[in-house]
Amino acid sequence: DAGITQSPRYKITETGRQVTLMCHQTWSHSYMFWYRQDLGHGLRLIYYSAAADITDKGEVPDGYVVSRSKTENFPLTLESATRSQTSVYFCASIPSRDRGNHANIQYFGAGTRLSVL
Amino acid sequence: TQLLEQSPQFLSIQEGENLTVYCNSSSVFSSLQWYRQEPGEGPVLLVTVVTGGEVKKLKRLTFQFGDARKDSSLHITAAQPGDTGLYLCAGVGRGSTLGRLYFGRGTQLTVWP
Repeated sequence: DAGITQSPRYKITETGRQVTLMCHQTWSHSYMFWYRQDLGHGLRLIYYSAAADITDKGEVPDGYVVSRSKTENFPLTLESATRSQTSVYFCASIPSRDRGNHANIQYFGAGTRLSVL
Repeated sequence: TQLLEQSPQFLSIQEGENLTVYCNSSSVFSSLQWYRQEPGEGPVLLVTVVTGGEVKKLKRLTFQFGDARKDSSLHITAAQPGDTGLYLCAGVGRGSTLGRLYFGRGTQLTVWP
């Protein structure tokens, strides 16, 4: 049971470059989420997706693009990376059956640590 | 704007001491969750509290949900070095935001042997 995997685990890039962070889950969960985690801010939602081809903005979507052509994949793209996007990025998912009940357990990947120089 | 305020932000204590972490909000949530995160890993759910006034126990950890479903606390009895980690509270949205989590900034707990 592979669960939810993120790649790469670490990435260093330069300002202005495009970079894509990958998220893959093997559970066929409907809902997927992207968060960034920064000291002093906790986890902030970037984008989320209710199903394939359905995405919506979270709290801090500027500078990011997502797509969801397949249920199992939810890549996050930084179109032109900036230093302020240096962060740890987490992908999470929940089964559709849990979204409407109080279980609502989000399963998180191990994270991608991104540094923009 | 942070919907959930967690305190303290940092906590450093000796093994055997008791501690309480608070999570407060002016918003009402469908339910409230507590996660624990270790270095290099994603958060892992500890507990979900649903009903106002609810108390749940997980070994030495006691979780309470306020009567108005706006605040919560985590109490650890006789802390151990293995309890070291980042503790996050998260409110589960209601209505159109059902399913979304709103995280507090977290409490970094260090327990010294």
